[in-house]
Amino acid sequence: SQTIHQWPATLVQPVGSPLSLECTVEGTSNPNLYWYRQAAGRGLQLLFYSVGIGQISSEVPQNLSASRPQDRQFILSSKKLLLSDSGFYLCAWSVRPNTEAFFGQGTRLTVV
Amino acid sequence: SQKIEQNSEALNIQEGKTATLTCNYTNYSPAYLQWYRQDPGRGPVFLLLIRENEKEKRKERLKVTFDTTLKQSLFHITASQPADSATYLCALVKIGGGSQGNLIFGKGTKLSVKP
Repeated sequence: SQTIHQWPATLVQPVGSPLSLECTVEGTSNPNLYWYRQAAGRGLQLLFYSVGIGQISSEVPQNLSASRPQDRQFILSSKKLLLSDSGFYLCAWSVRPNTEAFFGQGTRLTVV
Repeated sequence: SQKIEQNSEALNIQEGKTATLTCNYTNYSPAYLQWYRQDPGRGPVFLLLIRENEKEKRKERLKVTFDTTLKQSLFHITASQPADSATYLCALVKIGGGSQGNLIFGKGTKLSVKP
């Protein structure tokens, strides 16, 4: 069966520090991969999506970047965190864009 | 611009009643609409998918309708239980404008079922 792993679960980082969040999927090949952010009291905002290795598309301009070095690995990064980067980050995968998405457990990031 | 609106931020109902949640969209012509459940501090969990040519879909105590003329989906939970308390999200696939088939979510409706 397919599983998705996302870590760490919680993270407290100072302003200006770098960020690296990792997500891996098991049990499937060539998944569509997504990074979402959920700010307090707000909906899920799509940040990045990837349809294949090295193929990254950004939905909104921001202080973050994403990479897909392997088929089932998706990484969210920042060189210098801002206070506004705080939020709940979720990785997800799907077989195709119009099929159900499967989410990881999320990372609660607090930038202080 | 394309919008997905879940017009109730919160819904409180009594156990045993039917909960009805609404999802409206504008400037979309979706072929699919999805509903998810999200518990606090957790990722969303897929519940149901309904296609544009399906008027209604059921899964146990859940029922979803999809009216492409009204641009609206209704999500029903019958015989609601306190364990149904969660935030429910609707989602559409966004096509065009550089986004090829990405899942876009509404802000969700927080359902509280009181015993």
